[in-house]
Amino acid sequence: QVQLQESGPGLVKPSQTLSLTCTVSGASISSGIYNWNWIRQHPGKGLEWIGYIHYTGSTYYNPSLKSRLTISVDTSKNQFSLKLNSVTAADTAVYYCAAQSLGEFCFDYWGQGTVVTVSS
Amino acid sequence: QSALTQPASVSGSPGQSITISCSGTSSDVGGYDYVSWYQHHPGKAPKLMIFDVSNRPSGVSNRFSGSKSGNTASLTISGLQAEDEADYCCSSYTSSSTFVFGTGTKVTVL
Repeated sequence: QVQLQESGPGLVKPSQTLSLTCTVSGASISSGIYNWNWIRQHPGKGLEWIGYIHYTGSTYYNPSLKSRLTISVDTSKNQFSLKLNSVTAADTAVYYCAAQSLGEFCFDYWGQGTVVTVSS
Repeated sequence: QSALTQPASVSGSPGQSITISCSGTSSDVGGYDYVSWYQHHPGKAPKLMIFDVSNRPSGVSNRFSGSKSGNTASLTISGLQAEDEADYCCSSYTSSSTFVFGTGTKVTVL
């Protein structure tokens, strides 16, 4: 069973960079059979897909966030990360990481999510 | 990309059936058979319940079923049980090669 766990600061100041890490267990990121996704949920709103990375480094981002977003992978630690710069209050959300099987168009496994608040 | 439209809440008594709709456009729901549904109990990891419109992952109860007509997908829960009380969200692949989610539906078991 694949398990994912998000980690990172719960509070980020406006204009700074939001950095989160997702640690994967039960599967190797290097297996290449998954895309590794970030998804967020604003307070009281629906989910928003942020983007994904494959272990090869191939990425695809939500166009609305692309200019501020970097997703990277560390196969040695079986982790992948999200960096979102120039954050504002609009980036306050619960951030989830999720695994998507290659060739499939759904998210098979999710983390429990981590709350990130952007505030001074 | 606008969020897919779901009813904010749906309720039913134990044993009844309920259906949650998920309305999109020809650029997402109507254009691809890549609609999925997720169950989310607050504080827990969301769980995949249906993929590719109507397929159930291994281990998901056959009380959950999915369908699609035009630009609207649906999730039906039959034989409603107390444990089904949760938030449900749909998702679709889009013509922009991205994913869009629904607005979410809170299911209450009366």
